[in-house]
Amino acid sequence: NAGVMQNPRHLVRRRGQEARLRCSPMKGHSHVYWYRQLPEEGLKFMVYLQKENIIDESGMPKERFSAEFPKEGPSILRIQQVVRGDSAAYFCASSPPSPYEQYFGPGTRLTVT
Amino acid sequence: AQSVTQLGSHVSVSEGALVLLRCNYSSSVPPYLFWYVQYPNQGLQLLLKYTSAATLVKGINGFEAELKKSETSFHLTKPSAHMSDAAEYFCAVTDRGSTLGRLYFGRGTQLTVWP
Repeated sequence: NAGVMQNPRHLVRRRGQEARLRCSPMKGHSHVYWYRQLPEEGLKFMVYLQKENIIDESGMPKERFSAEFPKEGPSILRIQQVVRGDSAAYFCASSPPSPYEQYFGPGTRLTVT
Repeated sequence: AQSVTQLGSHVSVSEGALVLLRCNYSSSVPPYLFWYVQYPNQGLQLLLKYTSAATLVKGINGFEAELKKSETSFHLTKPSAHMSDAAEYFCAVTDRGSTLGRLYFGRGTQLTVWP
């Protein structure tokens, strides 16, 4: 059973560009979570999605950030008009219907120049 | 909202020595508790979890953690450190009974193991 997959692993964007981060959950998992890890900080929750539904987006910045988990295909975290402060590692986790065990992907390291 | 405190951002031990990484949670009712390990430039791997009545939880790689309700603690221990244990360790909690499942993480403890 393949683990959680994220791509790209590394992404470099210039200020003002868009960043799209992809997450494919483990087979059979219908819950996806996105977390952000800033330097010298722990992981901060961003958003929780199920297929075609955003369940909890209380950790998402109000502007420029959006997430989706379509019926088919991976979950996408989209950051518009990136700024240097968006540079971080973004981790996706998935869980089975019982949400109490989350499996993490390898992360996407975003660098904004 | 839940909060987690990891005391000590850096811990150094000699190979073969006891490993003790501290974690305290904020709620009066024990939440579900987790320890994750992160190796450089990798994702997080689940070491162990507390979701039931058993307060002593055994995990992978020889690690275990004990829930102490009176102290609101869930410290991670390993009797004998190995060089391969060098990594960053995160304690995390989620609300018991919540359908949301979001994890609240501590800031992490970097473990260094000296030969």
